[in-house]
Amino acid sequence: DQQVKQNSPSLSVQEGRISILNCDYTNSMFDYFLWYKKYPAEGPTFLISISSIKDKNEDGRFTVFLNKSAKHLSLHIVPSQPGDSAVYFCAASSFQGAQKLVFGQGTRLTINP
Amino acid sequence: KAGVTQTPRYLIKTRGQQVTLSCSPISGHRSVSWYQQTPGQGLQFLFEYFSETQRNKGNFPGRFSGRQFSNSRSEMNVSTLELGDSALYLCASSLTDRARTGELFFGEGSRLTVL
Repeated sequence: DQQVKQNSPSLSVQEGRISILNCDYTNSMFDYFLWYKKYPAEGPTFLISISSIKDKNEDGRFTVFLNKSAKHLSLHIVPSQPGDSAVYFCAASSFQGAQKLVFGQGTRLTINP
Repeated sequence: KAGVTQTPRYLIKTRGQQVTLSCSPISGHRSVSWYQQTPGQGLQFLFEYFSETQRNKGNFPGRFSGRQFSNSRSEMNVSTLELGDSALYLCASSLTDRARTGELFFGEGSRLTVL
């Protein structure tokens, strides 16, 4: 039962262009969504989050969009830089289990020079 | 400040054995969560502890257990190891149990290989 899905296992983008990573969820109880970034041999690091009362949150080059009716969120990275090459995980939580994150399978982003 | 520290970083066990993994959270953090990462299943929630109490548990068999000590350090134990338990076990800490920033700080993980 995959409650959070990242349907693209990998994505390749040219440096300077926009990277768009997508995530879908099925559980209507989720009200908080997060993106984590993971380099090899390191633990995931928090990138950006969004509450279900918003539809957009921006932090520098990173913007997360939430479409509650479609149960879909996306992460935009503009402009993409080589250091952005990593695996990106989408995660969701509900108030009841605030610290229990349900993760997607991850998308490996490669930024080409 | 020091990050989340997990030990050991790598270990190899055989089927039927048991293993104990340790996690020291960031100083001052009282919530510790454990996740299992495998290529097939991704990152899956194991359990979460706050003030020595287990607050949430994922869908794992009873062979997986954990505890938290008064200094917030945590251990997880897997008994009667199976080949499928081979995974990266990640520990994460946060300041409170209701951190709706959702900002968990992860350690580098303990990579367990079961032969």
